Parts: sequence; C-alpha cells; structure tokens
Amino acid sequence: DTAVSQTPKYLVTQMGNDKSIKCEQNLGHDTMYWYKQDSKKFLKIMFSYNNKELIINETVPNRFSPKSPDKAHLNLHINSLELGDSAVYFCASSQDQGSEAFFGQGTRLTVV
Amino acid sequence: GEDVEQSLFLSVREGDSSVINCTYTDSSSTYLYWYKQEPGAGLQLLTYIFSNMDMKQDQRLTVLLNKKDKHLSLRIADTQTGDSAIYFCAESIGGYQKVTFGTGTKLQVIP
Repeated sequence: DTAVSQTPKYLVTQMGNDKSIKCEQNLGHDTMYWYKQDSKKFLKIMFSYNNKELIINETVPNRFSPKSPDKAHLNLHINSLELGDSAVYFCASSQDQGSEAFFGQGTRLTVV
Repeated sequence: GEDVEQSLFLSVREGDSSVINCTYTDSSSTYLYWYKQEPGAGLQLLTYIFSNMDMKQDQRLTVLLNKKDKHLSLRIADTQTGDSAIYFCAESIGGYQKVTFGTGTKLQVIP
C-alpha cells in the first residue's frame, strides 16, 4: 500500500499552460506539505497544510495555488507555467507538525 | 537565519565507512534529520536526533552532533552498494512545521 502517492509521476507541458499535481495520503495524517526540488537537488518547502488549513506559505509565486479538499488530499495547481518551474515536486505528510514526514515519489515537471 | 550546507559528493569503497557532514546556522534548531533519496524515489527518513543529544546509533548508522560548532555528521559503517544515494541533512525548529534541507550529498559506493 502506498502511503503518500502523487500523480502524475512525469509531466511535460508547454509554457503558459495550467497544470495540477495531485497528492493523497492514506496514513490518517493531519499535516501535508509540498516541496520543490530544483536541478541542484536543493529541497525547499512551498506550502504546509494542517487539517485543510494553510499553515506555511513560503515565497512562492501566486501562480501556485494549493488546494486541500480534505485532510487526505493536497493538490498543487500551477497557472501559466514558466520554464523555471521545471523541477521535481514532492508531497509529504506527517501526523502533526512535530512528527516525521513521509514523502511521495515525486513528480518531475518539465516545462518546454 | 536558516542555511544548511553539505559537500556535494562523496565516493567510498564497498566495505569502508562513509562519513557525510553537514553544517547548519540556526542555533535554535530542535530536530536534525538525515534523509536518503534513491534515484527516482522519494525521500526516506533514515534517522533523526534531538538537539540536546550528542550521538545516536542505529545499526550501521551513527549520527554525531556538535551543537557548539553546529555540525552534524552521518557515519555509515560497512558501506554497501545499496547505500549509493543522495543524503540530505535537515533541521527544524519545534518539530516538522518548517524543515530546512541541505543541498544533499551524493554518495557513490565503488564495488
């Protein structure tokens, strides 16, 4: 059973398009996150949700909008994609804000 | 401020010990973590240490923390080819609310 699953695993799209990445966790966790890993493998937090409420919103362009329909899901919607958005995006979840996080497999986004 | 630094690359022979180093700048860190990322996979938590501890051992893994120098290391004993991966250290304040990751160290194990 996959604990944290992201779809799609690979996404290639053209500049200017709008796309979504979905994340689901079946661990019953309260907190979910989105991380961006750039080409240099640097991992940076983008958003954190706790029980469907936004907790952390780092300096991320407004084109990125997370949506949490319920606490098991945290989807990432990106408008007007740019070349610089190309990266691997990781979703994660944790029991609460003080517990270890479990990561998904990542979504490799390539903007052409 | 928050800054976590690691050397980018480490190569060791199979059977030797590997030591991956990390420095951080935030003295109020409460948890420090080591994550492993295998090619095409997500991040796997290997171990973590509370900031009031100096050392933690878990099978082949030994974590050493020098809080005065803000230096964290991960020692892997008897390194195997399956240990080849990228290793990230990370720090957090007050739990996992906001974790800052290092740049990652790519470990290459030579048979």
